[in-house]
Amino acid sequence: EPEVTQTPSHQVTQMGQEVILRCVPISNHLYFYWYRQILGQKVEFLVSFYNNEISEKSEIFDDQFSVERPDGSNFTLKIRSTKLEDSAMYFCASSLSGPRETQYFGPGTRLLVL
Amino acid sequence: GDSVTQMEGPVTLSEEAFLTINCTYTATGYPSLFWYVQYPGEGLQLLLKATKADDKGSNKGFEATYRKETTSFHLEKGSVQVSDSAVYFCALSEGAQKLVFGQGTRLTINP
Repeated sequence: EPEVTQTPSHQVTQMGQEVILRCVPISNHLYFYWYRQILGQKVEFLVSFYNNEISEKSEIFDDQFSVERPDGSNFTLKIRSTKLEDSAMYFCASSLSGPRETQYFGPGTRLLVL
Repeated sequence: GDSVTQMEGPVTLSEEAFLTINCTYTATGYPSLFWYVQYPGEGLQLLLKATKADDKGSNKGFEATYRKETTSFHLEKGSVQVSDSAVYFCALSEGAQKLVFGQGTRLTINP
């Protein structure tokens, strides 16, 4: 069964460093998403991406964040200058079509900023 | 804005007990409703969904009915197993592409 994959599973970085989280969505899916979950809190939407551009983003997704689909398979989230409060589990998801459709999630990347 | 409220956890039950995890939502229109499950060390997996009022989603013995009149989507299972131990998330999607999640309910089943 097709699945969303994410790398790395864990990432430790120093405050102020750039990190890139990688995702491979399900191959025929058209919509891609990033969510994050700070320990003990809700899963929060960050951004959605369709047709090679951001289609929706939350207030969390400020100028420090960017997303890219550099080739036909990968979908990346970049945090330019990490802060302590960026420590969280980051989930990538994809869906075949858009609103109201089932989103399929990857296993997550646990990011720890020291 | 849209929001989802789940019953506070953690919930601990004995094997074969009846399970209910409450979920209520606030939305301006007619959202699709979802239950996702997260097993230890894994990502979020879709458990079931319902897209309109009175629809019942079901999977692996779990059920939830979309109740527009009470804005609820409670998760139920008649007889839980140890393997059902996980964190359960209620979520909605309305118009916009994003999913809005509840806070999650940790379920532990003891043998």
